[in-house]
Amino acid sequence: QVQLVQSGAELRKPGSSVKVSCKASGDTCDRCSVSWVRQAPGQGLEWMGRIISLLGIADYSQRMQGRITITASKSTNTTYMELSRLTSEDTAVYYCARGLDTFDFWGQGTVVTVSS
Amino acid sequence: EIVLTQSPATLSVSPGERATLACRASQSVSSNLAWYQQKPGQAPRLLIFDASIRATGIPARFSGSGSGTVLTLTINSLQSEDSAVYYCQQYNNWPWTFGPGTKVEIK
Repeated sequence: QVQLVQSGAELRKPGSSVKVSCKASGDTCDRCSVSWVRQAPGQGLEWMGRIISLLGIADYSQRMQGRITITASKSTNTTYMELSRLTSEDTAVYYCARGLDTFDFWGQGTVVTVSS
Repeated sequence: EIVLTQSPATLSVSPGERATLACRASQSVSSNLAWYQQKPGQAPRLLIFDASIRATGIPARFSGSGSGTVLTLTINSLQSEDSAVYYCQQYNNWPWTFGPGTKVEIK
């Protein structure tokens, strides 16, 4: 069984950055590839980007390009998603999920609130 | 970017009946489509991938069909715990996209 445990809720001011972590465990997740998906309040799901953890190569949604950085630490099996130049429209629940194309295990979600 | 449209937006079904959810793509996604179930306050759960393959542990009452631009999720013998929002997601063309969701309510 795979478990993805995310860092806690964050409150940020507009224009700042946030970094969310996602720690993987389980005997089938030594080299998990991880994607990030977000969900604004009352809205649907938006795919943001992914990282092939074994290679450390990340791909991003064009909509996020330039503001998002996804990194991974092989030693700690932890993936990080950093989003910069935050606006109120970035207020959402951010999920990490295992997989490059489809997502079979999900983290519990991290609430990021952007407010002055 | 492929745009996915889901219909209906809301579906009200009696227990034991069948629910049929549609996902329409702005261009062909072949069979590269997944379905997810999301209940309030929870992360999404993968139900179906490659249009018709059930994910591990998913009951047989969930089935997916179709390819190209029209794909369908069918829930047979609806149960109360199936009340949720269902999303389709394509992974045929970059970037991956989700549909807006169909809310299934139990009468």
